[in-house]
Amino acid sequence: GENVEQHPSTLSVQEGDSAVIKCTYSDSASNYFPWYKQELGKRPQLIIDIRSNVGEKKDQRIAVTLNKTAKHFSLHITETQPEDSAVYFCAASLSSNTGKLIFGQGTTLQVKP
Amino acid sequence: GAVVSQHPSRVICKSGTSVKIECRSLDFQATTMFWYRQFPKKSLMLMATSNEGSKATYEQGVEKDKFLINHASLTLSTLTVTSAHPEDSSFYICSAAQGGQRGYGYTFGSGTRLTVV
Repeated sequence: GENVEQHPSTLSVQEGDSAVIKCTYSDSASNYFPWYKQELGKRPQLIIDIRSNVGEKKDQRIAVTLNKTAKHFSLHITETQPEDSAVYFCAASLSSNTGKLIFGQGTTLQVKP
Repeated sequence: GAVVSQHPSRVICKSGTSVKIECRSLDFQATTMFWYRQFPKKSLMLMATSNEGSKATYEQGVEKDKFLINHASLTLSTLTVTSAHPEDSSFYICSAAQGGQRGYGYTFGSGTRLTVV
C-alpha cells in the first residue's frame, strides 16, 4: 500500500522567513496530494492541493511542487507569520474523491516573532 | 461547502463499555467514509474505509471486531469501539469523500476525543 514520508518533523523559522516541508510517496499510481494544517484538537484544514497532471500550484504565500518522477512533493510557505505556527500534514491518494488518503508523519512548524 | 458533523466531540467511558461515534454528511451524499485515529502529537492513521451498503475494509492491524463500522445510509457512518480499554483512548476523526457534482476532495468531521478510564 501507499506510504508517505514527511520531513522534517519539527521546523523553527523566524517571522518573515520561508519554510519548506518535503514529502515522498511510494505508490506511483497516487495522483492527488493535499496539504493540511491542524491546530491542536481540531480537524485538519486543507490549505492547498495538487494533482498529478500539474507540477506546481501557488496560492498567495503558499505553494506546492510535485515531482512525479522522483515521487516527492513539497510545501513552501513564504513570508511566514506567527499564525502559521501549527502542525502540517502532507497526504497522498489514488483518487481525489474516493481513494483512501494516507498521511505523512506531520511537521510542527514554529514561527518566532 | 460540504459539511460533516461528528458526535460526540468528547466522551469519557469506563473500561469494558462500548462507545458509538457518528458522522453525518449534512449537505451531500458520502458514499465513502474514512475513519482515522490520532494519538497525541502523531499523524492520522487510517483505520478503515466504509462504503454505503457494504462491509467496511479495515487496514492491516485494525481489529474489525473491536472497531465496528456501519455505513447504513449515504449520509451516516458510525464507528463503535467495543469493550473499550485505556489504550483505545485517542482522537477519532472521520472523513467523507466528496466527488460527483461537488467535485473532489475530502471533508473531515470535527473529531471525537475518547478517554477510557
